[in-house]
Amino acid sequence: DAKTTQPNSMESNEEEPVHLPCNHSTISGTDYIHWYRQLPSQGPEYVIHGLTSNVNNRMASLAIAEDRKSSTLILHRATLRDAAVYYCILRDYDGYALNFGKGTSLLVTP
Amino acid sequence: NAGVTQTPKFQVLKTGQSMTLQCAQDMNHNSMYWYRQDPGMGLRLIYYSASEGTTDKGEVPNGYNVSRLNKREFSLRLESAAPSQTSVYFCASSPTAVPGLAYPGTQYFGPGTRLLVL
Repeated sequence: DAKTTQPNSMESNEEEPVHLPCNHSTISGTDYIHWYRQLPSQGPEYVIHGLTSNVNNRMASLAIAEDRKSSTLILHRATLRDAAVYYCILRDYDGYALNFGKGTSLLVTP
Repeated sequence: NAGVTQTPKFQVLKTGQSMTLQCAQDMNHNSMYWYRQDPGMGLRLIYYSASEGTTDKGEVPNGYNVSRLNKREFSLRLESAAPSQTSVYFCASSPTAVPGLAYPGTQYFGPGTRLLVL
């Protein structure tokens, strides 16, 4: 299974951009890159996904390296509500499970 | 539109007791999943149901059984609870999950059931 590597934690000031990195050097050509986040005491929620091209939605942007071995989730203006654990996930080999690692715990300070 | 709902929210069991965790979704999704999350860890898949009438084991199925009651409902049963099953249990659903497709579809999660086994 293709694995991802993320920093354990990151810190940001409120209203500043946040760049959350993810390495996935063994990604296969058909693996989609997903990002989910988990707010405290809640279930995970979908943030964004992409395959090769950069993607934008109302929550965030996803920048994917040309070789696809890394990606970056970009929160354009962090708010206190963005404090959460962010998971970078590749599709599991059987196409069903989301293979959650430990993710990056994002702390946002006022 | 409630999304994915789970009952109960909290439960305390004694070792050896049994219980069923209920999950329902109102998004007309084909696939449903049960995950567990231990403290400080990511989620691990227990069982999933790719479509109504099918269920399959995930990463950590031992000690659990599941039933896909209909398209909306997917239950998880602990026949004889053990302290190692103390965890937070999340149910999820997705529009589709087809082998061989690169994109299995966004998964939508419920709020979780916190289970303590003494």
